[in-house]
Amino acid sequence: DGGITQSPKYLFRKEGQNVTLSCEQNLNHDAMYWYRQDPGQGLRLIYYSQIVNDFQKGDIAEGYSVSREKKESFPLTVTSAQKNPTAFYLCASSTRTSGGADTQYFGPGTRLTVL
Amino acid sequence: AQSVTQPDIHITVSEGASLELRCNYSYGATPYLFWYVQSPGQGLQLLLKYFSGDTLVQGIKGFEAEFKRSQSSFNLRKPSVHWSDAAEYFCAVVDSGAGSYQLTFGKGTKLSVIP
Repeated sequence: DGGITQSPKYLFRKEGQNVTLSCEQNLNHDAMYWYRQDPGQGLRLIYYSQIVNDFQKGDIAEGYSVSREKKESFPLTVTSAQKNPTAFYLCASSTRTSGGADTQYFGPGTRLTVL
Repeated sequence: AQSVTQPDIHITVSEGASLELRCNYSYGATPYLFWYVQSPGQGLQLLLKYFSGDTLVQGIKGFEAEFKRSQSSFNLRKPSVHWSDAAEYFCAVVDSGAGSYQLTFGKGTKLSVIP
């Protein structure tokens, strides 16, 4: 089945540690996205990538880093510089048509808790 | 800056009753509009989308939405709610004229269903 997988589902981290969240898609989509979700805040864009080896900062990129070495994969690293990392993280992917008429499809999410 | 407003944080309806969830946006150009649904601890599932054409769009699970340009609205409706519809609903918009294909989300409306 085609889709987006995120792992792990739950992740616990001690303060001061970096942690990497995995996102893989087999939909052959060019574009991939990372969102952060906090209660009552909706989804906020962290980073996005429209093509391999290229990515752009979203609205809340500080304290996060990404890479896009393969079309299928877009890992997110939450660094120790992120002051409040406890949140639900969602990965999405889409085709990349002209004009922006692309539907984003979402993975099941990773819940990160900082202890 | 572009924005999406979902005025109702929480709505409670009885099973079998009709439902309308409100969404307003602020953009200059023609927007691309989406409604997503999220069950607790899960990713987002696309309910329906509007890119162009008929302003009344049909989606999955019996939902529909109507784009009203004059009111900058894209309200989601269902004639008869089922207990399984209890979830959080997000309206999202892409500003096709801004040169950026980023989704902007509203903060969500949580739907509770009374049996």
